Amino acid sequence: DAMVIQNPRYQVTQFGKPVTLSCSQTLNHNVMYWYQQKSSQAPKLLFHYYDKDFNNEADTPDNFQSRRPNTSFCFLDIRSPGLGDAAMYLCATSRDSAYGRNEQFFGPGTRLTVL
Amino acid sequence: AQTVTQSQPEMSVQEAETVTLSCTYDTSESDYYLFWYKQPPSRQMILVIRQEAYKQQNATENRFSVNFQKAAKSFSLKISDSQLGDAAMYFCAYKDSNSGYALNFGKGTSLLVTP
Repeated sequence: DAMVIQNPRYQVTQFGKPVTLSCSQTLNHNVMYWYQQKSSQAPKLLFHYYDKDFNNEADTPDNFQSRRPNTSFCFLDIRSPGLGDAAMYLCATSRDSAYGRNEQFFGPGTRLTVL
Repeated sequence: AQTVTQSQPEMSVQEAETVTLSCTYDTSESDYYLFWYKQPPSRQMILVIRQEAYKQQNATENRFSVNFQKAAKSFSLKISDSQLGDAAMYFCAYKDSNSGYALNFGKGTSLLVTP
């Protein structure tokens, strides 16, 4: 089945220790997204890729970066995780359309714990 | 920025009964999309139903239907014949048709289905 896969599902890191979360997709969608979802809050878009074009949301901290080496993979790098970065990180994909009506397909998320 | 408000943090419904989840949004745009996403515990978010603002007819997907009131900026989700598998967090989301790819999510409503 075509899908969005996130690894690992659970990640524990230490305060200040860089961490990378990965996302892969078999849908061949050209748009990929990273959302941060804190407990009892709405998912918040961090950035997205349209093909290889990176689009950062204005209020995404510099501590968060992303790489997309090819269509299938996208990585979220947190350079120096703080306690406030503990959250669920959701990867999503969509097929581009002129009017943006296409649904986003989500992965199961990676729950990040910062000690 | 557009805001999406879900005023019901939790709702409960008995199996086979009908429940309505509320969502209001704030926008100055005339063309946009509205979505309801379902996020079961420890599973990925999936699209339940989508509504295009230019369509007057309310969207329906099997047991799920919406009541879209454009003037009131209201977009409620009705679940008929509720099933145990409907238990999940439900997120209402808004997307501009003209500006970017970001989905603006509400904080979600946790739906409990009792036998």
